[in-house]
Amino acid sequence: DAMVIQNPRYQVTQFGKPVTLSCSQTLNHNVMYWYQQKSSQAPKLLFHYYDKDFNNEADTPDNFQSRRPNTSFCFLDIRSPGLGDAAMYLCATSRGRDYNQPQHFGDGTRLSIL
Amino acid sequence: QKEVEQDPGPLSVPEGAIVSLNCTYSNSAFQYFMWYRQYSRKGPELLMYTYSSGNKEDGRFTAQVDKSSKYISLFIRDSQPSDSATYLCAMNQAGTALIFGKGTTLSVSS
Repeated sequence: DAMVIQNPRYQVTQFGKPVTLSCSQTLNHNVMYWYQQKSSQAPKLLFHYYDKDFNNEADTPDNFQSRRPNTSFCFLDIRSPGLGDAAMYLCATSRGRDYNQPQHFGDGTRLSIL
Repeated sequence: QKEVEQDPGPLSVPEGAIVSLNCTYSNSAFQYFMWYRQYSRKGPELLMYTYSSGNKEDGRFTAQVDKSSKYISLFIRDSQPSDSATYLCAMNQAGTALIFGKGTTLSVSS
């Protein structure tokens, strides 16, 4: 089945220790998104790639970076995680540049900060 | 006023009940409306996708959009325990990012 896969499902890191979350997709979609979702909150868009074009949301902290080495993979790097960065991180894909194309989500990585 | 408002619930119903989930929004330019279902510890799964006003039906699920009232609904008929999840509405206009509601948690008891 074509899908969006996130690894790891659970990640624990120490305050200030860099961490990388990964996402892969077999849907061959052009667009990949990273969202942050805190408990009982709406998913918040951090950034997205259209192919190799990177688009950062205005309020995404500089602490968050992303890489997309090829169509299938996308990474979220948190350079110096703070306690406030503990959340579920969701990767999503969609086919076209228009945001109105349906987005397909992975099951997320739950990040804990010690 | 937040762009998208959604009552977080929780909403508890017996099996077989008709469930009504709703969102209101403030931006009259929104054209695309979606409902996602999110099970605990899982990512959101697209349930319904509608453009502009009107109704759309898919099995036990019906999505309604009333643009004049800036109000969207998701109806679930003959609800099942497997429908227990958080339901997120999401919407946008062409070329802009999706705006999600906070989600309504539904519990269907057998």
